[in-house]
Amino acid sequence: AQSVTQLDSQVPVFEEAPVELRCNYSSSVSVYLFWYVQYPNQGLQLLLKYLSGSTLVESINGFEAEFNKSQTSFHLRKPSVHISDTAEYFCAVKDSGYSTLTFGKGTMLLVSP
Amino acid sequence: NAGVTQTPKFQVLKTGQSMTLQCAQDMNHEYMSWYRQDPGMGLRLIHYSVGAGITDQGEVPNGYNVSRSTTEDFPLRLLSAAPSQTSVYFCASTPAGSGRVNTEAFFGQGTRLTVV
Repeated sequence: AQSVTQLDSQVPVFEEAPVELRCNYSSSVSVYLFWYVQYPNQGLQLLLKYLSGSTLVESINGFEAEFNKSQTSFHLRKPSVHISDTAEYFCAVKDSGYSTLTFGKGTMLLVSP
Repeated sequence: NAGVTQTPKFQVLKTGQSMTLQCAQDMNHEYMSWYRQDPGMGLRLIHYSVGAGITDQGEVPNGYNVSRSTTEDFPLRLLSAAPSQTSVYFCASTPAGSGRVNTEAFFGQGTRLTVV
């Protein structure tokens, strides 16, 4: 069975500061990893994904995540956050044999001026 | 393309009432899923379907029914609403094909359900 642990339920940061949102997963087979973002009162949007190849993946708005197989982690980072990055972020995993995603409990990123 | 469309956006039910949450996608995706989102719990899978006529249970299926008569539609039925079913419900679809195992899910905007 697959599972995802997001270690922080809430991360408060100041604007222009760096941030890391942590995600660890467990799975017995090869996995595909995703980060989704949910802005207030909206649905989930894909932020970035790791499928294979380079372990560092990037999004168009400055976020990046690194797949670390030995530590079973997929932490999300941004070197300088904006107020508009305030949202809830969900890490998700999918095993090669599954058609659905398993989500972590989410991390609320709160960016203040 | 509209993507994944959920209706209604908001609903208030009385305990014991039944209703159907609608979900439709126009991307010809084979896989569809229903999740519920509760504070501090993330998203939990209720039911899913890998194609028309095929459904299966997820992590929290009790109190919900689904059917998949067409590729486009995947309605979620609450048989007898309970306050514990107060939640935000999300429908998602995923394309199948040779790359199906490594493609992301596309989500609707959600249905916020309150059972009183």
